[in-house]
Amino acid sequence: DSGVTQTPKHLITATGQRVTLRCSPRSGDLSVYWYQQSLDQGLQFLIQYYNGEERAKGNILERFSAQQFPDLHSELNLSSLELGDSALYFCASSPGFVGYEQYFGPGTRLTVT
Amino acid sequence: AQRVTQPEKLLSVFKGAPVELKCNYSYSGSPELFWYVQYSRQRLQLLLRHISRESIKGFTADLNKGETSFHLKKPFAQEEDSAMYYCALSSRLIWGAGTKLIIKP
Repeated sequence: DSGVTQTPKHLITATGQRVTLRCSPRSGDLSVYWYQQSLDQGLQFLIQYYNGEERAKGNILERFSAQQFPDLHSELNLSSLELGDSALYFCASSPGFVGYEQYFGPGTRLTVT
Repeated sequence: AQRVTQPEKLLSVFKGAPVELKCNYSYSGSPELFWYVQYSRQRLQLLLRHISRESIKGFTADLNKGETSFHLKKPFAQEEDSAMYYCALSSRLIWGAGTKLIIKP
């Protein structure tokens, strides 16, 4: 157990809908990262927050947004969902903002129908 | 452009045979490279990082700046090594596409 928690574990929703995924980092970690893992694309880095501020952006669509709250938990919002958004969404955390080991959560499996 | 390339999507070897998972990177600065592993139904976890130069579960990886490579090696594969392996350039959060390693009995 890495200490990183994600909710919900599974989410099934329809195209066009909006969902929110939640991540609680390990105690003491200031950085939170979001990743998308799909069968054909592998692991794609989406975005990183460090102590409440956005630090790095990867291949995140404009329909997706994230934030990190003062208690350091983070939420990833996915809107106008498409079938292609079906994937496993991972959250990871680390103590600092670059060069540290990342501790991964169990992931949220999103299915868009 | 900065990138990490894992040329093999799938690698299948017999138990007891040597394993080499390839990772090539493109980065102009001093790279901080990691190998992560994802066993079936488990979360991703760090396997090793180049800076520590340690051996984990019999795996080693040497940073070759001349060839810009960070290949993961193990002399004798075991069935429990079957997993998905990702090479990552930590300083830029760039990940390879991953290699699925299957160890045949």
